[in-house]
Amino acid sequence: EAGVAQSPRYKIIEKRQSVAFWCNPISGHATLYWYQQILGQGPKLLIQFQNNGVVDDSQLPKDRFSAERLKGVDSTLKIQPAKLEDSAVYLCASSLQGYGTGELFFGEGSRLTVL
Amino acid sequence: DAKTTQPNSMESNEEEPVHLPCNHSTISGTDYIHWYRQLPSQGPEYVIHGLTSNVNNRMASLAIAEDRKSSTLILHRATLRDAAVYYCILRERGADGLTFGKGTHLIIQP
Repeated sequence: EAGVAQSPRYKIIEKRQSVAFWCNPISGHATLYWYQQILGQGPKLLIQFQNNGVVDDSQLPKDRFSAERLKGVDSTLKIQPAKLEDSAVYLCASSLQGYGTGELFFGEGSRLTVL
Repeated sequence: DAKTTQPNSMESNEEEPVHLPCNHSTISGTDYIHWYRQLPSQGPEYVIHGLTSNVNNRMASLAIAEDRKSSTLILHRATLRDAAVYYCILRERGADGLTFGKGTHLIIQP
């Protein structure tokens, strides 16, 4: 079974530029998550989708970050304009629909460096 | 989500058992105890989870205290491939996401 696919693996941009990350979850997984992991810290949830609807985006900096999940499958996370503090690994994860015990499957992440 | 406390780092020798502790004194009756680990340059991966009883799977064992205020992840025979950051996470029944702390950085010496 194919895992969670993310691209690009690495991205270097200047501050104030924009960047987009793509995620393809495991087939059939209704729930999709984007996490931000700053060096030395645990992942922090940015946004959670159930099919193509947003369940939780309380920690998403909405002035610069946006995410969408069209057709309830692939998802894109965009940052515009980027700041130095956005340098992090952006992890996408998916799971079968909810209920609190389902395993989350993570991709390898997209590492962003903002100069 | 309720909070967990883990040591920042632990060191063990290859082929020996490893016991990773986690304290969760404010756990509620509907919180499941989940463990994930993150190998270098990879996303986190599921290890094991439990509610009240001890659990075993092919990767590890989870020992849960009778009062549920603490738990221990047991790797029965550590290998170099087990070097990773291990996260202990409380997840309320019905909740989808995971709230990660800083975890325990496990170092395995050959």
